[in-house]
Order: sequence, then C-alpha cells, then structure tokens
Amino acid sequence: EDKVVQSPLSLVVHEGDTVTLNCSYEVTNFRSLLWYKQEKKAPTFLFMLTSSGIEKKSGRLSSILDKKELFSILNITATQTGDSAVYLCAVEDKAAGNKLTFGGGTRVLVKP
Amino acid sequence: DAGVIQSPRHEVTEMGQEVTLRCKPISGHNSLFWYRQTMMRGLELLIYFNNNVPIDDSGMPEDRFSAKMPNASFSTLKIQPSEPRDSAVYFCASSPTGAINTEAFFGQGTRLTVV
Repeated sequence: EDKVVQSPLSLVVHEGDTVTLNCSYEVTNFRSLLWYKQEKKAPTFLFMLTSSGIEKKSGRLSSILDKKELFSILNITATQTGDSAVYLCAVEDKAAGNKLTFGGGTRVLVKP
Repeated sequence: DAGVIQSPRHEVTEMGQEVTLRCKPISGHNSLFWYRQTMMRGLELLIYFNNNVPIDDSGMPEDRFSAKMPNASFSTLKIQPSEPRDSAVYFCASSPTGAINTEAFFGQGTRLTVV
C-alpha cells in the first residue's frame, strides 16, 4: 500500500522566515511526487517532481526530490502571511493507474 | 475550461437520508478521483476511475458508499443511508492519465453535514 508521511504536522513562523517541509513516501511504482497548497478551499497545484536532484522553483517556493532516499522537501523563503496554508504532498503510482495518495499535510501559519 | 465542477457546494441532510454528490471532470481528462477530507484523517482517496472504469475502490468506507461514472463527463458519489460521521468535505479531481508532466486538478468540493 502506498504511503506518504509529512512533517512537521504544523509550524508557526514569522514573516521573513524560511520554512522547510518534508515528505517521505513509499510507493509501488513511482511516477511523480506532487506538492499542493490548500487554503480554505480546494488544493491548488504547486510542483510536480519526477527526477532526483533537479530543483523546481517558483518565486519564493522551491522543491527537490530524492528518489533514492524516498523523500522530497518544499522550501519557502521570505515567508509572507499569504503563505499560511496546509501544504499537501502526494505520490502518483504507475502500478495503480496513476493513483494519487496524499500525506496528512503540514499546516503553516505565518505571523506578521 | 471551467475546471472540475462539483455540485452541490454545500449539503445539509438528516441522518438516514440519501446524499448524491456530483462531479464534472475537465474535458479530455480520463482519470477521476473522489477524496474525502476531514480534520482527523486528512485527504483520503475513496475511489478512482480510469476511462470511466472503477480501478480501485478500496478507500470506500463501507457499503453505504457507491460511485458511478456513466460517461467521461460525469460522476456521482452516493451515500445511502447517510450518517453524522460522513460529515466532511468531498473533493473530486481529474487528470489526463498517460500524459507527462500533468497534475490532478481539484474541484471546489462539497461540504456535507449530516445531522
């Protein structure tokens, strides 16, 4: 059974701080790892990672994948209050029709 | 494209009643997922379809839950009879399986409250 574990469960930071979120996974036949941001609505897509060691970047957010150690990290630099959200990690399993399995999420609160 | 469309957005029903949630995936997407989200359990996959065929329904909590996808543009999730513990936000998502560098797109969810 595919499994995704995110840490920490939650964290509180101040504006300007840097945040690192962790995602470890077990999957039968890995296709991709995805990061989503969820505010008080549906999850919105951030990154899709398929190859180890290649950093994906979007503004202040970046993410990298390690397929050997089976984990990914999501970094947010110079955090802003608008970054407050739950960040979800998911893995896609090729052996299961590209089924997406989500972790429990990390709740980030950025204080002014 | 309007994205994944779910209806209703909110549903309040009494215990024992039948509830039907609806989803219209993005046109051309051939994978459809139903998720349930609660504070306690996070985002759980209930069932997913590939080309309208149910692939894995192991996440469906019990026989009270059923899902159908009669065609590529419509899916339903039915709970009969509903119970208070079914209260959650139910998300539908779709993705174009087989394409590279794609992601699942979520609908806005249906917030279900069973009283």
